[in-house]
Amino acid sequence: GENVEQHPSTLSVQEGDSAVIKCTYSDSASNYFPWYKQELGKGPQLIIDIRSNVGEKKDQRIAVTLNKTAKHFSLHITETQPEDSAVYFCAVSGSARQLTFGSGTQLTVLP
Amino acid sequence: KAGVTQTPRYLIKTRGQQVTLSCSPISGHRSVSWYQQTPGQGLQFLFEYFSETQRNKGNFPGRFSGRQFSNSRSEMNVSTLELGDSALYLCASSLGANEKLLFGSGTQLSVL
Repeated sequence: GENVEQHPSTLSVQEGDSAVIKCTYSDSASNYFPWYKQELGKGPQLIIDIRSNVGEKKDQRIAVTLNKTAKHFSLHITETQPEDSAVYFCAVSGSARQLTFGSGTQLTVLP
Repeated sequence: KAGVTQTPRYLIKTRGQQVTLSCSPISGHRSVSWYQQTPGQGLQFLFEYFSETQRNKGNFPGRFSGRQFSNSRSEMNVSTLELGDSALYLCASSLGANEKLLFGSGTQLSVL
């Protein structure tokens, strides 16, 4: 089945700096790549997603890049703010017709 | 538009009991998926329902089952609870299959 690896598991950045989280996947048929943000006591919140026919997508301070050849994709957060502190999950959907999630990254933005 | 609603929010059960969790999807969403979240295993797919039919199932024992009603509301049931079933159970709804899943806040199940 699909295998998704996410790095790093923890990330601390200074407020205003950028944060980058990376994921690799195994199934070359995967075609949908969402990112979720989960705050304490809440369910995962969809923050951005990309399909396999697009290399990059941006939404204000958040961007996702996809390299299909290398089978990896990344989340970029610019000008980080304390409210960006949360656990971020990448996910992949493909031939298995289900979302397979990465193990999560605890992002801490230091004031 | 109201989000995905899961009830109850918290649940405490003992080993051997059974439990039923409920999920009301976003209005107009016909696909409902269930996930189990634990610190050790992360987010794992349980099953997905669309128009009252189970379209996909994850790698969980038969003690885990679900159903979807004609109004798209869904329930999942776990029978003969084990300590390892303690987890946050998340429901997500979407218009289509496995894209733009929107999650509820989950049901935190503790098995004693």
